[in-house]
Amino acid sequence: DVKVTQSSRYLVKRTGEKVFLECVQDMDHENMFWYRQDPGLGLRLIYFSYDVKMKEKGDIPEGYSVSREKKERFSLILESASTNQTSMYLCASSAFRGTRINEQYFGPGTRLTVT
Amino acid sequence: QKEVEQDPGPLSVPEGAIVSLNCTYSNSAFQYFMWYRQYSRKGPELLMYTYSSGNKEDGRFTAQVDKSSKYISLFIRDSQPSDSATYLCAMSLDNYGQNFVFGPGTRLSVLP
Repeated sequence: DVKVTQSSRYLVKRTGEKVFLECVQDMDHENMFWYRQDPGLGLRLIYFSYDVKMKEKGDIPEGYSVSREKKERFSLILESASTNQTSMYLCASSAFRGTRINEQYFGPGTRLTVT
Repeated sequence: QKEVEQDPGPLSVPEGAIVSLNCTYSNSAFQYFMWYRQYSRKGPELLMYTYSSGNKEDGRFTAQVDKSSKYISLFIRDSQPSDSATYLCAMSLDNYGQNFVFGPGTRLSVLP
């Protein structure tokens, strides 16, 4: 059974703190993604990675950075958390060439609140 | 105008009803059209996808794409309480995940 896990389900941080969100997949997928999900806005891509140590900006990378030191692990970093980064963060992974459309497998999400 | 629009609901229907969920989009170049289902406190999971125009059926679910109208639909027949979830449409120019554009989702409740 495919699995994407995220380090925390709920997180509360203070403004200005450095925040790490961790994602691990066990499917040997090449691609990994970080999205944020906000009511009325859908999923918006923050960053993605198609290989170890490779990263590409998505639609809303400002205020975020990522790290991918190992194939199975993709970290999202909020360098200095702000209240407008309060959101649900979803990690996903996909194979480089799937048997169907590059189906993305999502983790359960981390609900981050910045106060 | 947003690239992908979707009525957020909530949509409540009785068990056994036919459900119609819809999305409109503005980019005529989209080729891949997907429906994801997201249960409460879970990540989205791919339900169906279609390439270009046409219909696709999978059990109780049917996906339709009308590229001339820039309109996609998901029909659920004989809806069940277990279908209660948020349904997200997504579309893309190509098969690469970094170019997916997601709708905001429609929350569906199927009442027993």
